Amino acid sequence: GENVEQHPSTLSVQEGDSAVIKCTYSDSASNYFPWYKQELGKRPQLIIDIRSNVGEKKDQRIAVTLNKTAKHFSLHITETQPEDSAVYFCAATDSWGKFQFGAGTQVVVTP
Amino acid sequence: DGGITQSPKYLFRKEGQNVTLSCEQNLNHDAMYWYRQDPGQGLRLIYYSQIVNDFQKGDIAEGYSVSREKKESFPLTVTSAQKNPTAFYLCASSIRDRGEKLFFGSGTQLSVL
Repeated sequence: GENVEQHPSTLSVQEGDSAVIKCTYSDSASNYFPWYKQELGKRPQLIIDIRSNVGEKKDQRIAVTLNKTAKHFSLHITETQPEDSAVYFCAATDSWGKFQFGAGTQVVVTP
Repeated sequence: DGGITQSPKYLFRKEGQNVTLSCEQNLNHDAMYWYRQDPGQGLRLIYYSQIVNDFQKGDIAEGYSVSREKKESFPLTVTSAQKNPTAFYLCASSIRDRGEKLFFGSGTQLSVL
């Protein structure tokens, strides 16, 4: 089945700097890669997603890139703000359509 | 908020007791999922259902059971066979199971007395 690895597990950045989180996946048939943000005690919220026929997608300060050959995808947050502090999860759908999640990255933005 | 409702928000289980977590959605979604989240870990799939009266085991189904008698409802029972049930449980739904956005409920925190 699909295996998703996510790095780093924690990430501290100064306000205004950029943050990058990387994920790798194992199933070459995976075709959908969402990113979720989860604040403490709350539900995960979809922040951006990308499909396998696209290499990059942007939404304001957030972008996701996908390298199908290398089987990895990354989340980029520019001009970080304190409200970006949260746990971020990547995910990939395997060939059966099941979502497999990474272990999460705790992002801390310090003023 | 979000169209998918979980209850209760907090639940306590005694030794040997079965407990049931509720999940209801009014989004007309076909697929529904149950995930378990432990502190500092990702989301692990317990069970999922693509259609009414059908469901499949996820990666950690042992000690859990589900039913899907209605499209809107996908309750999860944590049985006494689950020896370490303390976790945050998240229900989710999507339009269909292949590469569609997941919408999550607000979660149930289950603890053992």
